Amino acid sequence: DQQVKQNSPSLSVQEGRISILNCDYTNSMFDYFLWYKKYPAEGPTFLISISSIKDKNEDGRFTVFLNKSAKHLSLHIVPSQPGDSAVYFCAAPRGGSQGNLIFGKGTKLSVKP
Amino acid sequence: DVKVTQSSRYLVKRTGEKVFLECVQDMDHENMFWYRQDPGLGLRLIYFSYDVKMKEKGDIPEGYSVSREKKERFSLILESASTNQTSMYLCASSLGGWHLEQYFGPGTRLTVT
Repeated sequence: DQQVKQNSPSLSVQEGRISILNCDYTNSMFDYFLWYKKYPAEGPTFLISISSIKDKNEDGRFTVFLNKSAKHLSLHIVPSQPGDSAVYFCAAPRGGSQGNLIFGKGTKLSVKP
Repeated sequence: DVKVTQSSRYLVKRTGEKVFLECVQDMDHENMFWYRQDPGLGLRLIYFSYDVKMKEKGDIPEGYSVSREKKERFSLILESASTNQTSMYLCASSLGGWHLEQYFGPGTRLTVT
């Protein structure tokens, strides 16, 4: 049972345009979400997070939007750069565990020059 | 800066061998995790530990065991390696409590032949 879903395995975007990566969740008790970026042959690195008390969090070119009624969050990258090409994972905390996260399956973003 | 190191970047083992993957973190984090990453399956939790000598099973513990004798070190053991354990193995740590952000090591690409 996938509680955190990334339904698009891949996304291709032209350099300079906006990249939108989507994530859906099923558990309405989730109150915090994280995005990680992963390059090949490297470990994931934390990118940005959002608490459920907010509907938007911005950090430079990266903005995460949260729509609680739709149980949906999205990561916007503007403008996209070739160095943004990576796999992006969204994650949420498992209830009742010690900092345990549930990860989506990831979306591979390719930004073409 | 948090640093999580893993003993090997690449490892090739034979079926039936006992395999040890070591992970060390240098930030006095309480929690440590072992994941495997496979194409199309995202990050799947194998085991985690929230204290020295404490361990809990994740989503896919079968065929694996772990050891945490010291706070900074978390070992993953494949008792008898099989070809379906060929994967990228990722170690992570987090501070604990309400600090959910996990810091990942570079990963170990294990091939079992």
